[in-house]
Amino acid sequence: NAGVMQNPRHLVRRRGQEARLRCSPMKGHSHVYWYRQLPEEGLKFMVYLQKENIIDESGMPKERFSAEFPKEGPSILRIQQVVRGDSAAYFCASSASGTRESDTQYFGPGTRLTVL
Amino acid sequence: KQEVTQIPAALSVPEGENLVLNCSFTDSAIYNLQWFRQDPGKGLTSLLLIQSSQREQTSGRLNASLDKSSGRSTLYIAASQPGDSATYLCAGPSNTGKLIFGQGTTLQVKP
Repeated sequence: NAGVMQNPRHLVRRRGQEARLRCSPMKGHSHVYWYRQLPEEGLKFMVYLQKENIIDESGMPKERFSAEFPKEGPSILRIQQVVRGDSAAYFCASSASGTRESDTQYFGPGTRLTVL
Repeated sequence: KQEVTQIPAALSVPEGENLVLNCSFTDSAIYNLQWFRQDPGKGLTSLLLIQSSQREQTSGRLNASLDKSSGRSTLYIAASQPGDSATYLCAGPSNTGKLIFGQGTTLQVKP
């Protein structure tokens, strides 16, 4: 059973370009979470999705950021018109269910975004 | 609103010592708490998950406890090794399932 997959592992963009980050959850998992780790800072929640639905986007910046988890295919975190402050490690996690006490979130290796 | 705090922020110990990492949380209604390990430049590895109905979990040299009434969890590492050097993160869930992370404790075990 493959773990959570993220690609690319490293992404370099120039200011103003778009960044697309992909996450394939563990097999059988329908819940996906995105977190961001800014340099020298802790992990912060961004968005929680189930298939075709956004459940909680309270951590998403109001502009330029969007996320989707289509019926088929990976979850995508999209950042439009990137700025240097977007440089960070973006982690995806998946779980089998959202809020059961036995539910573990499994993390992918992350995508490290560098904005030049 | 859930807030998670970890102390100490950094810890350096000689090999072989037993050590305790501390995590405190504000919302005692959490239904579980997870401990993770993060190596520099890497992702997160789940170490232990303690359900609210449990008081502790053990995996090898690691033992994690949970006291909901006092809002605290501890991670005990027995007989520390240089390979244990990493950042240790605790995280509690909100009512929607998202994890709220502490700032982490960076551990260095010296040979």
